[in-house]
Amino acid sequence: GENVEQHPSTLSVQEGDSAVIKCTYSDSASNYFPWYKQELGKRPQLIIDIRSNVGEKKDQRIAVTLNKTAKHFSLHITETQPEDSAVYFCAALLSGNTPLVFGKGTRLSVIA
Amino acid sequence: GAVVSQHPSRVICKSGTSVKIECRSLDFQATTMFWYRQFPKQSLMLMATSNEGSKATYEQGVEKDKFLINHASLTLSTLTVTSAHPEDSSFYICSFRGTGYGYTFGSGTRLTVV
Repeated sequence: GENVEQHPSTLSVQEGDSAVIKCTYSDSASNYFPWYKQELGKRPQLIIDIRSNVGEKKDQRIAVTLNKTAKHFSLHITETQPEDSAVYFCAALLSGNTPLVFGKGTRLSVIA
Repeated sequence: GAVVSQHPSRVICKSGTSVKIECRSLDFQATTMFWYRQFPKQSLMLMATSNEGSKATYEQGVEKDKFLINHASLTLSTLTVTSAHPEDSSFYICSFRGTGYGYTFGSGTRLTVV
């Protein structure tokens, strides 16, 4: 089955700096890669996603890049703010009605 | 967008008792629902896949007789934790795939077994 690795597990940045979180996946058939932000005790919230036929996608301060050949994708957050502090999860999806497979998460702390 | 309602949000129960968690899709017919468990500071781990009208499929290491899943209709899936023990204390969350690629999550249930 699919396996998703995520790094780093923790990340601290100064407010205004950029944050980058990286994930790799094992199954080349995976075709959808969402990123979720989860605050303590809350459900994961989708912040951005990318399909396998796209290399990069941007939404304001958040961007995701995908390298299908290397089977890795990354989340980029620019101009970080304290409210960006949370746990971020990457995930991968095979085609069809299959479950998302999550990375282990990255705890991002933005220091004011 | 698709909405799923999960109840209860928090439950405290005594060891040995059973707890039922409900997930209801409000505006979408969910033929398949996924149940995840999340221990503190860990990721979401798939427990089982719930298919409407048929038996659930459990992931390796998840006891099907302990975690009973019922998906009797297209809008309701339930997870019952039977004979709960403190090690079952966790955050349980349901999810289903809506239209397109989007997945919708319930609000989660924080189970504490004392």
